[in-house]
Formats: sequence, C-alpha cells, structure tokens
Amino acid sequence: EADIYQTPRYLVIGTGKKITLECSQTMGHDKMYWYQQDPGMELHLIHYSYGVNSTEKGDLSSESTVSRIRTEHFPLTLESARPSHTSQYLCASSQAQGAQGANVLTFGAGSRLTVL
Amino acid sequence: AQTVTQSQPEMSVQEAETVTLSCTYDTSENNYYLFWYKQPPSRQMILVIRQEAYKQQNATENRFSVNFQKAAKSFSLKISDSQLGDTAMYFCAFMKPRPNFGNEKLTFGTGTRLTIIP
Repeated sequence: EADIYQTPRYLVIGTGKKITLECSQTMGHDKMYWYQQDPGMELHLIHYSYGVNSTEKGDLSSESTVSRIRTEHFPLTLESARPSHTSQYLCASSQAQGAQGANVLTFGAGSRLTVL
Repeated sequence: AQTVTQSQPEMSVQEAETVTLSCTYDTSENNYYLFWYKQPPSRQMILVIRQEAYKQQNATENRFSVNFQKAAKSFSLKISDSQLGDTAMYFCAFMKPRPNFGNEKLTFGTGTRLTIIP
C-alpha cells in the first residue's frame, strides 16, 4: 500500500550529536514537506521541496537542513542537536499541480525527537 | 499572511452525539482551499474533509460535514453520530493557491482536542 514512512519514530540523544530523520514515500509524489509540531501546538512548515534537487525553507526558521536527491526520499538533518530542537517532526507529500488530489497532503507518523 | 484560529482547545461529547468544531480564518484571497485534518493519539495525521472556496456547496464525507461561510470566513466541522474512534486532535488548515508552483504550504490552526466519551 502506498504510504509515507518516517524513521525513527522516537529518538532521544545528547546535545551536540548529529541526527538525520528519514522520510520516504512510495506514491511518486513530487512535493514533500517537513513540519515541526510542539506538543498541543499547530504545525509549522520548516522545509519543502517541489522535486529532485529542489529545496526551500518554510515559514518557521530552522537550523535543520534537507536534501532531495531522489523523488521518494527527503531526509532532514541536524548537524548539532540542542535541547531547543526537541519537538515532533512530521513529513508529508502531495501530488503535483493539476493532478487529482493535488492539494491534499499525506502525512507520515512523525519522528519525536528529544535532545537532552 | 493568512491566519487560522480555532477557539476551542478542548471538547468532549458523549458517543453518538453530534459535535461542531469551529474555525475562522483571515485572508484577502478569493480563491483558496480549506481542510480539516485529524491526528489520533500517536498516529498519522489524515485528511477528514476538504472545501474549495469557489464552491458554494458545503463538503460532506459520510458523518463529517462542514459549514463554510465565505463572507464570515468561517469553516466549522460537524461530526454526526460521534464514535470512539473520532477521539483525536482536529486541525483546521488553509491553503492559498500559487499558480506557478502548485498548491502547497498549509497554514494550520492550533487544533481542538476532541474526546468522545463512551
């Protein structure tokens, strides 16, 4: 079944460590997104991509970086994690403009990061 | 910039009852999309219902329906015959079309935590 997968689901690490949150989708969607969600709060867009080799920063400033080398893969990296990075990170994807359902985002289950 | 306001942080209703979640938004755009997403505890966010602003007819999906009032910039969600599985965070979201790049960049409200009581 086509879906969007995030790993790890939960991660607890120490300050200063480098981490990569993985996101893969099997739907062939061109557009992918990373949202940050603090407990009980709304989602804020931190990165998005329109396709391979395309990445843009979102509305919320983030020290993380992303890459899009393959259509299906959109990893997020923090070079040196800090306690302020503790949050839930949600990956999502959607179809290209003009396709049916182009406006609808499909979300992954999320990666909950805790930095000690 | 667009803003989305959900004024009910938490709600609870008895199973089988009807509940309405409110959402208002602010925009100067005439053409846009509105969504309700559901996020069950520790589970994926999923789409509940979508409304295109140019359509006057309110969207419905089985037990879920919306009351879209464009002039008032209001977009409430009604859940009929509520079930235990409806317990979740519900987020209202706004999307402004960008013709050259496609439609993306959802703006979310702060969410309403809905609990269905057995």
